[in-house]
Amino acid sequence: SYELTQPPSVSVSPGQTARITCSGDALPKQYAYWYQQKPGQAPVLVIYKDSERPSGIPERFSGSSSGTTVTLTISGVQAEDEADYYCQSADSSGTYKVFGGGTKLTVL
Amino acid sequence: QVQLVQSGAEVKKPGASVKVSCKASGYTFTSYDINWVRQATGQGLEWMGWMNPNSGNTGYAQKFQGRVTMTRNTSISTAYMELSSLRSEDTAVYYCARVNIYFSDGMDVWGQGTTVTVSS
Repeated sequence: SYELTQPPSVSVSPGQTARITCSGDALPKQYAYWYQQKPGQAPVLVIYKDSERPSGIPERFSGSSSGTTVTLTISGVQAEDEADYYCQSADSSGTYKVFGGGTKLTVL
Repeated sequence: QVQLVQSGAEVKKPGASVKVSCKASGYTFTSYDINWVRQATGQGLEWMGWMNPNSGNTGYAQKFQGRVTMTRNTSISTAYMELSSLRSEDTAVYYCARVNIYFSDGMDVWGQGTTVTVSS
């Protein structure tokens, strides 16, 4: 079955830039989405269509795509950004959706 | 406001079935697909499948085919997810989520989650 691969953890100091990657063979064909999840809460969509940001999501969140890897970038990280981040996409046929394993962002 | 409100926590024995509801409000229920996603304690998100509330069409992740059924009642704007032959590994929080074409099929609204515990 199709898989998306994320690093388990990323750590940054406040004000620095955090980059979280997500790799998958079908990413050149399928859009990627990013979700933020804080403890005890439901996920929140922070990036859609690889690089678009829903209204209400701070501008410091951005997304990019290059080949089989997509990247979530958080510029000027704040303490409130500490959370788990999940990428999501679909297999090459678009039939089955899949989530990456998640990345825990720690703000030092 | 737009929201999805799910039914309360469930405790089931192995081999039983569970049916979780997801009531939509603040938007036209039949205009957006509903997806179901689960999360075991301390684990990641796992996609289970989708349902189109207008047509009733569904699609399930291969892992759950034969064990999951997604239905809806349009008169009360409610989606349902039933999982059968429960085992301990099905213990998780189950979420419903709205899929929005304006976000290129991103899941923009989520329910609060329903905890399902499978234990003898």
